[in-house]
Order: sequence, then structure tokens, then C-alpha cells
Amino acid sequence: SQQGEEDPQALSIQEGENATMNCSYKTSINNLQWYRQNSGRGLVHLILIRSNEREKHSGRLRVTLDTSKKSSSLLITASRAADTASYFCATSSSGGGNKLTFGTGTQLKVEL
Amino acid sequence: EPEVTQTPSHQVTQMGQEVILRCVPISNHLYFYWYRQILGQKVEFLVSFYNNEISEKSEIFDDQFSVERPDGSNFTLKIRSTKLEDSAMYFCANQPRGRFGYTFGSGTRLTVV
Repeated sequence: SQQGEEDPQALSIQEGENATMNCSYKTSINNLQWYRQNSGRGLVHLILIRSNEREKHSGRLRVTLDTSKKSSSLLITASRAADTASYFCATSSSGGGNKLTFGTGTQLKVEL
Repeated sequence: EPEVTQTPSHQVTQMGQEVILRCVPISNHLYFYWYRQILGQKVEFLVSFYNNEISEKSEIFDDQFSVERPDGSNFTLKIRSTKLEDSAMYFCANQPRGRFGYTFGSGTRLTVV
């Protein structure tokens, strides 16, 4: 598998439910970031977690990082229809400068 | 909230033509990037630019590509002779310092026909 793969590829939930997306990566990282992309639009930075952190919160977002398993998860609590978008994890690798390597993304659909 | 502005939002060009994609970055950010996203695929790194020079580039960023900050503020990506496979969304991004989150522009959709 490639650096930065998310699962599931697609997720459909009802408004008010929680949505969990997972990301796996292969190389050592400095940090891992999550971005959101509405259809045909730019990427919006959601949250960054550094390699020495295990969990981080921002509003309804909770990110975990397990460097031993090279994986991260993004939890969106109490989802809203407006959360419908694609979500990407992106890693900044040790020795890789500041460039980001993006995952394949999870398409989240939140239905009313 | 500071924004990164990209123009044009959509460009259609004939194969073999030169295109210039423009970005107005956030003024006090130090790092500049171009990424692209072919429809339905991953976002891919093209090039990073720091201190008025390229700091890193990917295999995609071949001799057909170049970047400039022509007037110290705008940041451009030039593709000299476009190919059909250059059709993609091109995103400019800024970073205030290393190891922080990026601010992305809304992208330029390039269609090569």
C-alpha cells in the first residue's frame, strides 16, 4: 500500500452520528495533518498532530496518532450535513522537507 | 482569515501551449508550494519554494515546469508546452514556517484539449 491511505474510501452516516476515518502511512513522520475538501474546491486545514503527540482535539474533531502502528484516526462528533466532504490525511516526513504526502481520501456523506 | 488567491479559476488550453497559473500568497508566510490533483486521484506534490528558490521538487516537476516570484509577491507556475495529462486542479499553498499547517488556494482547474 502507499503512503497515506485512508479507510473507508466512502462513508455515509446520518446527521448527529459520529464519523471515524482512518489513515495509515509507511515512513517516519514529523507530523500528520488532516484536510477537508468540498467538491471541486481547495483543501482546508483541519488539524495537525505532531509525532510526539497521541491525541488532539479541535471543536468537534478528535485526532489520534499511533506512531508504532503508523496510523491515525479522525473522529467527527455530532456530524452535520455541512460536514459532507472529502477528508484527506497528509504526512510530513522526517527528512522529507516540509512537503506533504497525501492519502487517497475518505468521502463522507452526512444525510439529514 | 488570510487567504491564498489563485487565478484563473479555470483555464482551457490547446495541447502544446504555454500556461501560467498565478497565486497571491499570504504576505508573511515563508514557504510556498504547488500541488496538483488529477480528477479522482490523490493530491500530489510538485514543488516547494523558499527564500526565492526551489527547495524541493518531485519527479512530476520536469523541465516543462517552472516557478517564479516575479515581483516578490505573486507566485507563478508555468507549464511550457502542455500535454493532455497535465489536465488537473493545481493548488498553490503557503506555510508560515516549517511544520505548520498549510493554507491552500481554491485552485486552478486546467483543461488541456
